Amino acid sequence: QVQLVQSGAEVKKPGASVKVSCKASGYTFTSYDINWVRQATGQGLEWMGWVNPTSGNTRYAQRFQGRVIMTRDTSISTAYMEVSSLRSEDTAVYYCARARTAANYDFDDWGQGTLVTVSS
Amino acid sequence: QSVLTQPPSVSAAPGQKVSISCSGSISNIGNNYVSWYQHVPGTAPKLLIFDNRHRPSGIPDRFSGSKSGTSATLVITGLQTGDEADYYCGTWDRSLSGAVIFGGGTKVTVL
Repeated sequence: QVQLVQSGAEVKKPGASVKVSCKASGYTFTSYDINWVRQATGQGLEWMGWVNPTSGNTRYAQRFQGRVIMTRDTSISTAYMEVSSLRSEDTAVYYCARARTAANYDFDDWGQGTLVTVSS
Repeated sequence: QSVLTQPPSVSAAPGQKVSISCSGSISNIGNNYVSWYQHVPGTAPKLLIFDNRHRPSGIPDRFSGSKSGTSATLVITGLQTGDEADYYCGTWDRSLSGAVIFGGGTKVTVL
């Protein structure tokens, strides 16, 4: 079965960077884009962008452009999402999610989430 | 504030029915498919409905979706205690250089 397993919780200071990983199994990694969605405490879901595992092409939500980098390593079926210049408002649970189709507007499998806490 | 508007909460007794609305605009729901997710805090969100009304395998037919114009609706019938969760609608928005957007979420409480 499809599994997306994310790296563990992180605590970072304001201004630092964090890199979260998402290891895929149970399907051909290069066949589906990986999206990243976050949920701040008490808030709803917020889409951040996607990475195409085959080409490495990315698309980011406008508000994250310049501060987020999404990459992948096909040799180990793993996608990564790095956020720089962290601020307290970035404290959230970050999820990776597999796009259901190439249109990339809905997601049929999700990782377990990674809590990133930004605190001085 | 979310581009897609959902009621903050709905509730009903076990066995009853709840409806959750999701209101958008021509740039999102009006021209794109809608999906629905169930999210129990602390767990991974689950896709319940895609392409307005289709259920992934394993999702019971107690969950149904529809779309009309710039609004969509999720209906849960035969409500069960296990249905207590947050529910989000989602779609593509072609403004702002394009983005996946979600509603603010609706908390379903089983009385």
